[in-house]
Amino acid sequence: GAGVSQSPRYKVAKRGQDVALRCDPISGHVSLFWYQQALGQGPEFLTYFQNEAQLDKSGLPSDRFFAERPEGSVSTLKIQRTQQEDSAVYLCASRSPSGSSYNEQFFGPGTRLTVL
Amino acid sequence: GDSVTQMEGPVTLSEEAFLTINCTYTATGYPSLFWYVQYPGEGLQLLLKATKADDKGSNKGFEATYRKETTSFHLEKGSVQVSDSAVYFCALKGYQKVTFGTGTKLQVIP
Repeated sequence: GAGVSQSPRYKVAKRGQDVALRCDPISGHVSLFWYQQALGQGPEFLTYFQNEAQLDKSGLPSDRFFAERPEGSVSTLKIQRTQQEDSAVYLCASRSPSGSSYNEQFFGPGTRLTVL
Repeated sequence: GDSVTQMEGPVTLSEEAFLTINCTYTATGYPSLFWYVQYPGEGLQLLLKATKADDKGSNKGFEATYRKETTSFHLEKGSVQVSDSAVYFCALKGYQKVTFGTGTKLQVIP
């Protein structure tokens, strides 16, 4: 595809439900990032993959958050037992492995999660 | 750790006015610096970037210069348009992850 895609675009969950958010990076991009953007704030780093390896998960706010990228392409961010404070836009980004765009992360449109 | 501080908004300007949005950063090493823009209802888009000291990034009439001595990367545009209304994020990239500021909302009125 032309860009990073995410699904669903919107998700409403009841408190305590588990959710799964999907990210399809740009083809050929080995690096993939997840960010959380609370209302009125800038995105905050959650976790980073290089291919299938999760190299940094220091931003995950609790052990209810889990991310995977088993085949080094599509990634899923899972949130277990959702809480109201998990309500945010979850952004996925991928990065070119080389070239002039190496430093740039390309962002998807995000998934807006609302926990009731 | 890394951090980015940018001026709080909202900023309201008349069309053709001069724009400055201040951004300062704290980082170890030599980060790359970015401005991202988020138009209403859309995702984050890279506006411009600079990868080393004294580099000037520019795009769509916007400019920002990487000032290592003042650890700043202020965004400027000489004449704003209504279509520039958006939220602007200053950001830095250290080793891998990107650290963002809180965003500055710009509203340009005709």
